[in-house]
Amino acid sequence: QSALTQPASVSGSPGQSITISCTGISSDGGMYSLVSWYQQHPGKVPKLILYEDAKRPSGVSNRFSGSKSGTTASLTISGLQAEDEADYYCCSFAGSKTSGHMVFGGGTKLTVL
Amino acid sequence: QVQLQESGPGLVKPSQTLSLTCAVSGDSVSSGDYYWTWIRQPPGKGLEWIGYIYKSGDSYSIPSLKSRVTMSVDTPKNQFSLKLRSVTAADTAVYYCARGDSDVWSLFDRWGQGTLVTVSS
Repeated sequence: QSALTQPASVSGSPGQSITISCTGISSDGGMYSLVSWYQQHPGKVPKLILYEDAKRPSGVSNRFSGSKSGTTASLTISGLQAEDEADYYCCSFAGSKTSGHMVFGGGTKLTVL
Repeated sequence: QVQLQESGPGLVKPSQTLSLTCAVSGDSVSSGDYYWTWIRQPPGKGLEWIGYIYKSGDSYSIPSLKSRVTMSVDTPKNQFSLKLRSVTAADTAVYYCARGDSDVWSLFDRWGQGTLVTVSS
């Protein structure tokens, strides 16, 4: 069971916005609480879509945005498109500063209706 | 262009050792800006971070696997490796190698294509 909790599934219609939460982020702050998000289409390699909570790598659509409040991070996808249908994973540090490690959330399956 | 490529047996018998290598091109495993990591994904399930190795040879693996995992880095060959001992069916997964950012630990910006390892007799 992951230390980061995500909803198992979310859905939305084309053009709508959806938000995926990721709870359990470290409260230690700094590098210990930075969150990245990954998108994975079926049978494909995970792709980095957000890092440092809200930054987008080059080439990632600005329809993807991130935020964090306390121990919960969120990924918002606006203007949903069929191609956004995929699994989404958050990733961050879990555990104590001296014995923690990186962990992925359980993943959220996004269905575009 | 940075590329990572996993290689190793696709089938391992129970109780034996899973051995994978990740060849890196377009970057150096000696780079201080990155660490080199292994991530796995059982069929139909989510991602699991296994651990990392740094250019110095320092490594870390998650507690649940620590007693069975060995990671190494081969600087001349520009590759790094994972060995997982005493495997069971629960270790069946797609194994990915990835490049991690030394400053933003959750940032894995380059991934291998993944290799499916099945544990079965």
